[in-house]
Amino acid sequence: DAEITQSPRHKITETGRQVTLACHQTWNHNNMFWYRQDLGHGLRLIHYSYGVQDTNKGEVSDGYSVSRSNTEDLPLTLESAASSQTSVYFCASSPAREGEQFFGPGTRLTVL
Amino acid sequence: GEDVEQSLFLSVREGDSSVINCTYTDSSSTYLYWYKQEPGAGLQLLTYIFSNMDMKQDQRLTVLLNKKDKHLSLRIADTQTGDSAIYFCAETLYNQGGKLIFGQGTELSVKP
Repeated sequence: DAEITQSPRHKITETGRQVTLACHQTWNHNNMFWYRQDLGHGLRLIHYSYGVQDTNKGEVSDGYSVSRSNTEDLPLTLESAASSQTSVYFCASSPAREGEQFFGPGTRLTVL
Repeated sequence: GEDVEQSLFLSVREGDSSVINCTYTDSSSTYLYWYKQEPGAGLQLLTYIFSNMDMKQDQRLTVLLNKKDKHLSLRIADTQTGDSAIYFCAETLYNQGGKLIFGQGTELSVKP
């Protein structure tokens, strides 16, 4: 079955370290999104991509970057992790720019 | 501006109806969604409504949209303990490329 996976599911890191969170989907969707979920804020968009070599900034992009070298993967990199980036991160993909987005299971990141 | 608001908590008895409310500020919404998040999991689309519709029914779920008041509601009939979860209202805006704007989420607790 086609699916969307994230790894790792849990990560603890130290302030200042570079961290990369993986997102992989097997639906061949062009559109992929990264969100962070924090209490009281719902989900907020970090970065998104409409296809290979396309990346766009979302609402809370500072301190994060993404790259899209193929259709299946959109890794999210924290260049220098900060405690404010402790959160749960969700990746999503969709076949169309509007309509249902399919979410991965999430990665819980703790920055100490 | 873009803003989606929900109440944070709702508690109901098993068998009763649940009504979860959402308000939004941007009148250029194209689609409005209800997502469900169970503990430790990603978000799952429950239902959605086009902005030119007033109501949509899908088994136990009824979505009502009042465009004049920018108010969206989700009614769950015959609520079961398995419906306990966090419910997110979200919207996409015209010409914003499918980006989802989420409310903070409503935690539904169903008591036996």
